[in-house]
Amino acid sequence: SQTIHQWPATLVQPVGSPLSLECTVEGTSNPNLYWYRQAAGRGLQLLFYSVGIGQISSEVPQNLSASRPQDRQFILSSKKLLLSDSGFYLCAWSRQGGTEAFFGQGTRLTVV
Amino acid sequence: GIQVEQSPPDLILQEGANSTLRCNFSDSVNNLQWFHQNPWGQLINLFYIPSGTKQNGRLSATTVATERYSLLYISSSQTTDSGVYFCGNGNSGAGSYQLTFGKGTKLSVIP
Repeated sequence: SQTIHQWPATLVQPVGSPLSLECTVEGTSNPNLYWYRQAAGRGLQLLFYSVGIGQISSEVPQNLSASRPQDRQFILSSKKLLLSDSGFYLCAWSRQGGTEAFFGQGTRLTVV
Repeated sequence: GIQVEQSPPDLILQEGANSTLRCNFSDSVNNLQWFHQNPWGQLINLFYIPSGTKQNGRLSATTVATERYSLLYISSSQTTDSGVYFCGNGNSGAGSYQLTFGKGTKLSVIP
């Protein structure tokens, strides 16, 4: 069966510090990968998606970037965090051409 | 893009009560999913239901794609049902599958 892992679960970072969140998927190959953010107010917003290694599409311009160095690895990064980057970040995957998405456990980021 | 409206935004139930959560869509429903976000934040897949009705234990869901809405029924609610329920409409394009979410229904089940 497929599993998705995300870490860390919780992170507190000072303003201006770098960020690296990692997500890996097991049990499948060539998945589509996604980063979503959930800010206060509960809504989930798609930030980035990737259909293959090195292929990144951004949905919302922001202070963040994403990379996919390996088939089942997706990384969310920032060079300098802003207070507004605080939130709950969720990684997700779907099959190529699939119609259902599955989410990781999430990372709660607080920028102080 | 498609707009997803969920109602009610908040719901408080006595344990054992039944409830109906609703999602309305501004455009065609393609690949609808219902999720439960538990107190730890994880999104748990409940149903993939682009049309028709499905049941899983005390939960069932119905999507009427032609009328652009979906319903989630919770029967005999338990305190463990508390959390936020999201619906999302998935669109496939450029090789990916992207979900547009509603703002969720926050359910609180009290003993």
